[in-house]
Amino acid sequence: GAVVSQHPSWVICKSGTSVKIECRSLDFQATTMFWYRQFPKQSLMLMATSNEGSKATYEQGVEKDKFLINHASLTLSTLTVTSAHPEDSSFYICSAIAGQNNREAQYFGPGTRLTVL
Amino acid sequence: AQSVAQPEDQVNVAEGNPLTVKCTYSVSGNPYLFWYVQYPNRGLQFLLKYITGDNLVKGSYGFEAEFNKSQTSFHLKKPSALVSDSALYFCAGADWGNQGGKLIFGQGTELSVKP
Repeated sequence: GAVVSQHPSWVICKSGTSVKIECRSLDFQATTMFWYRQFPKQSLMLMATSNEGSKATYEQGVEKDKFLINHASLTLSTLTVTSAHPEDSSFYICSAIAGQNNREAQYFGPGTRLTVL
Repeated sequence: AQSVAQPEDQVNVAEGNPLTVKCTYSVSGNPYLFWYVQYPNRGLQFLLKYITGDNLVKGSYGFEAEFNKSQTSFHLKKPSALVSDSALYFCAGADWGNQGGKLIFGQGTELSVKP
């Protein structure tokens, strides 16, 4: 149980285009999902907390107009990188908490490798 | 400020030997602590967690961790390492009362198990 999927697993795009990444909880409902980015050999940096039916909460320094998050249902959150530039190239990982009790562990998706040319 | 530290960037162990990956924390309130493992180009896999109760927590794949409040540590251990344990390990913590589920990650420790 507690499987989280991400799509696509990798994407290459031209500078200036927008890219949408989907995060789905496959066998549980997730009131809260999180979006992280990770640079090579580094730790995860929390970008935002996504709550179903409400606006995402962004961490300091993360541009909300650039990284659009939509959590339209209890099993799906999307991250759209708008007008992507090479510096946005990174490994993006989502996670979800199973159920309402946020004391449970976060379950992570397999990640999406974004390369902006 | 809340923080989680993993003092070793890399740990090298021979197969069959015991392994320890260190983690210390500075989390206010009641800390909730987790260990995750990451294989190349993959997301994080949950290994184990400490929320309350016994200080020794047993998790997946034979791993365990000991919560030590006086030393503010939560070291990951395994009695006998396998080559397949080679991966990047992350310790994470949270104060659920104030953080609302947000995890604070350590910088990661690369474990290399040689045959």
